[in-house]
Amino acid sequence: DSGVTQTPKHLITATGQRVTLRCSPRSGDLSVYWYQQSLDQGLQFLIQYYNGEERAKGNILERFSAQQFPDLHSELNLSSLELGDSALYFCASSADVAGGYNEQFFGPGTRLTVL
Amino acid sequence: AQTVTQSQPEMSVQEAETVTLSCTYDTSENNYYLFWYKQPPSRQMILVIRQEAYKQQNATENRFSVNFQKAAKSFSLKISDSQLGDTAMYFCAFMKHARIIQGAQKLVFGQGTRLTINP
Repeated sequence: DSGVTQTPKHLITATGQRVTLRCSPRSGDLSVYWYQQSLDQGLQFLIQYYNGEERAKGNILERFSAQQFPDLHSELNLSSLELGDSALYFCASSADVAGGYNEQFFGPGTRLTVL
Repeated sequence: AQTVTQSQPEMSVQEAETVTLSCTYDTSENNYYLFWYKQPPSRQMILVIRQEAYKQQNATENRFSVNFQKAAKSFSLKISDSQLGDTAMYFCAFMKHARIIQGAQKLVFGQGTRLTINP
């Protein structure tokens, strides 16, 4: 158990719908990273939040957005869903201390299926 | 931008054999970290081993060891005495060193190698 929790574990929805994925980081970790694992794109970085602020963006679609709340949990919002959005979405957290190694601890993932 | 390449989509070996997974990467950074992650059928991402680029000594964790060739930008994983539980997807990954305060340290992953250990 990494200490990172993600809900729900599975999500099945239809094209055009909107869903919200939730992540709670390890106690004390200020950074949350979102990654998408799909068959055609592999594992890719979507977005990072540090202490409530967006810190880095990767290959995140405009239909996707995220935020980190004062209690440090994060939500990834996916809208106007398409079949190609079906994937495993991972959240990872880290302490992100400057000047050193910051291990990212991965949650169990949310499997999204768009029908 | 950094890229990570794993040229072996699938590998299969017999139990107790030694297997080596290959990874190459491209970066202009001098300080960085390299990782091997294991993803078993449960889909959980498990860190297997980490290598700091500034360390010349290759990292070792029990049956897992790496061959880090910085000049060649090569980072292979050797699994000795392979076990059935080693069956998984293995991902090579790159992370920049956090030089600045709270710098973004995203992981850049390769496409993965599916390793099967046969009894």
